[in-house]
Amino acid sequence: DAKTTQPTSMDCAEGRAANLPCNHSTISGNEYVYWYRQIHSQGPQYIIHGLKNNETNEMASLIITEDRKSSTLILPHATLRDTAVYYCIVRVYGQNFVFGPGTRLSVLP
Amino acid sequence: SQTIHQWPATLVQPVGSPLSLECTVEGTSNPNLYWYRQAAGRGLQLLFYSVGIGQISSEVPQNLSASRPQDRQFILSSKKLLLSDSGFYLCAWSLTDYSNEQFFGPGTRLTVL
Repeated sequence: DAKTTQPTSMDCAEGRAANLPCNHSTISGNEYVYWYRQIHSQGPQYIIHGLKNNETNEMASLIITEDRKSSTLILPHATLRDTAVYYCIVRVYGQNFVFGPGTRLSVLP
Repeated sequence: SQTIHQWPATLVQPVGSPLSLECTVEGTSNPNLYWYRQAAGRGLQLLFYSVGIGQISSEVPQNLSASRPQDRQFILSSKKLLLSDSGFYLCAWSLTDYSNEQFFGPGTRLTVL
C-alpha cells in the first residue's frame, strides 16, 4: 500500500540540475512530504521535508504542487557524489517512516 | 555530537544458526531506536522500534526479535536463521516520534547460506 510513486531510475549529467518527481495523489492534509537518500551500502540520509510551501536548504529544494498531489526534489548542481537512491515519503507527524523502492539517480560525468 | 555504531559490518551464517546484531548510540539520551531490513534492490522494511528500555514494538511478524537492555543499546536476534533473513540490516535513532530526521548506522550485511 505504497503512498508514493517514483520512477525506478533516472540519469543526470554532472553539473546539471537533477529533478526527481514523486506522485502522492492520496496525500492527506496532515501528511508531510519527506526526502531521504541512500548512497550505496550506507544508511539513508535525510534531505528535506515540507507540508505545503516550497522548501530549500543547503542540499536541495522541494517543490510541492498546490494540490499537494505531487512534488519534485531538485538538486541544483548534481555531482558524482549525488549518485544514490532517493526516497520520497509521506508521513503523518509522529508516525514511522515507510521507505518504498525509491528512484535510483545516476549522475554521469 | 551523536554517533551510532553497528556490528558486525558483515556476517555469513548457516541456516538454522542463531543471530545477534548490536547497535549502540552515543551522545544522546532516551532516543527512539529502530531496526530496518533491506533486501537486495528493495526499500527499507521497518522491523522493530523502541521508545525506551524494555519497550519493543514489532512491525512485521517473523522469526526475529529485538531487545533494548540499556537506554542506548538495541539488539536484533534470532534463534534460527532462515535463508530469507539475508539482507542489509540498519539501525537508526531519532530524538522522538515527532523528529523529522532519523539517523542511520552503517549497517550489517547478513548472508544466510
